[in-house]
Amino acid sequence: DAGITQSPRHKVTETGTPVTLRCHQTENHRYMYWYRQDPGHGLRLIHYSYGVKDTDKGEVSDGYSVSRSKTEDFLLTLESATSSQTSVYFCAISDNTGELFFGEGSRLTVL
Amino acid sequence: GESVGLHLPTLSVQEGDNSIINCAYSNSASDYFIWYKQESGKGPQFIIDIRSNMDKRQGQRVTVLLNKTVKHLSLQIAATQPGDSAVYFCAESGGNGANSKLTFGKGITLSVRP
Repeated sequence: DAGITQSPRHKVTETGTPVTLRCHQTENHRYMYWYRQDPGHGLRLIHYSYGVKDTDKGEVSDGYSVSRSKTEDFLLTLESATSSQTSVYFCAISDNTGELFFGEGSRLTVL
Repeated sequence: GESVGLHLPTLSVQEGDNSIINCAYSNSASDYFIWYKQESGKGPQFIIDIRSNMDKRQGQRVTVLLNKTVKHLSLQIAATQPGDSAVYFCAESGGNGANSKLTFGKGITLSVRP
């Protein structure tokens, strides 16, 4: 299995609070991604990174920001969580082959 | 486990039978396709991929077929086992390399009857 660790795995928070999810990889892959997964929508790309300090938006980036200060870490931040951001969040990594390796997911509940 | 299987179409097969999971894609420029398997409470796991210069590729017990004319992708699983029960996603991208982002289908639940 690809060395990807997501933390926390489960979090319950209240509307309006900031939340940061962390993705840590030990594979030294260049590309890292954050997806959210919701019933009826499948996996949707939030943000991705193609190198340290190089990030770009995906299809559902509103309300989210990311940072990548080191190759191994990709952080997803919800500055002010809303109930619509209740979801399962997956981090993924990739080298140049196009294949994505996924983490185990982080389940976020915003009350 | 996660509830992402809700609202998804379900394919039910008898253990030992062959399974065929279908996927239609919309982007005629897509040239790379992947099938993923997701078990309850886990992240998606790579099964097999195919590039647009091929129409068939085989792995261990799995075969992917690509029909570019009708933009159709299928995953065939031989001798389906209980461990094959999961949600299956197809994904497509427009080029080689990770900077060609994958677009995922909504998924199909495969249920294997003992």
